[in-house]
Amino acid sequence: ETGVTQSPTHLIKTRGQQVTLRCSSQSGHNTVSWYQQALGQGPQFIFQYYREEENGRGNFPPRFSGLQFPNYSSELNVNALELDDSALYLCASSWGEGLEQFFGPGTRLTVL
Amino acid sequence: GENVEQHPSTLSVQEGDSAVIKCTYSDSASNYFPWYKQELGKRPQLIIDIRSNVGEKKDQRIAVTLNKTAKHFSLHITETQPEDSAVYFCAASGGGNGGSQGNLIFGKGTKLSVKP
Repeated sequence: ETGVTQSPTHLIKTRGQQVTLRCSSQSGHNTVSWYQQALGQGPQFIFQYYREEENGRGNFPPRFSGLQFPNYSSELNVNALELDDSALYLCASSWGEGLEQFFGPGTRLTVL
Repeated sequence: GENVEQHPSTLSVQEGDSAVIKCTYSDSASNYFPWYKQELGKRPQLIIDIRSNVGEKKDQRIAVTLNKTAKHFSLHITETQPEDSAVYFCAASGGGNGGSQGNLIFGKGTKLSVKP
């Protein structure tokens, strides 16, 4: 069984730039959820993708967007980066509409 | 929206003692309550979960209890070991108000230190 993977591991961007983060779900899982984890805080829900469509969204602005592909992998895109976007971005995969979720290792994004 | 409060924020115990972490949630529609362990620089790892139709669940040294009426749930770790040292997060599934059930709302975490 293959676990959840994410790329890249680390990323440094400047304010105003755009970034794309990638996630491959655990084998057998068809749902991907994205979370933002600021230093010293719990993960905060961004959105979930199920059957290639957004299936719920947290309190994040529209410049946070995503995609899910037919193989269930997913991308998180963030436009017009702000300093406060610096965080660990975690994806989690699950089966169906996703209660039991398993996390990837995360992408550490630093915005300068 | 849903809010999850977690206490304490830090907890220090001697090896072999028990540790208890408590969480409360606000949305009565929440029906799934997982606990995650996150070691420094690593991913959150699901260690135990409970659904709203169950009051208690145990897995070796770890147990979780749920009181739906009071909207609180707790993690109990017995016979703690130094390798239990980590940050523990509770979470509750998003309920109504348009959120998906897969939306997990996390507490702010408890840093557990187990001293040998």
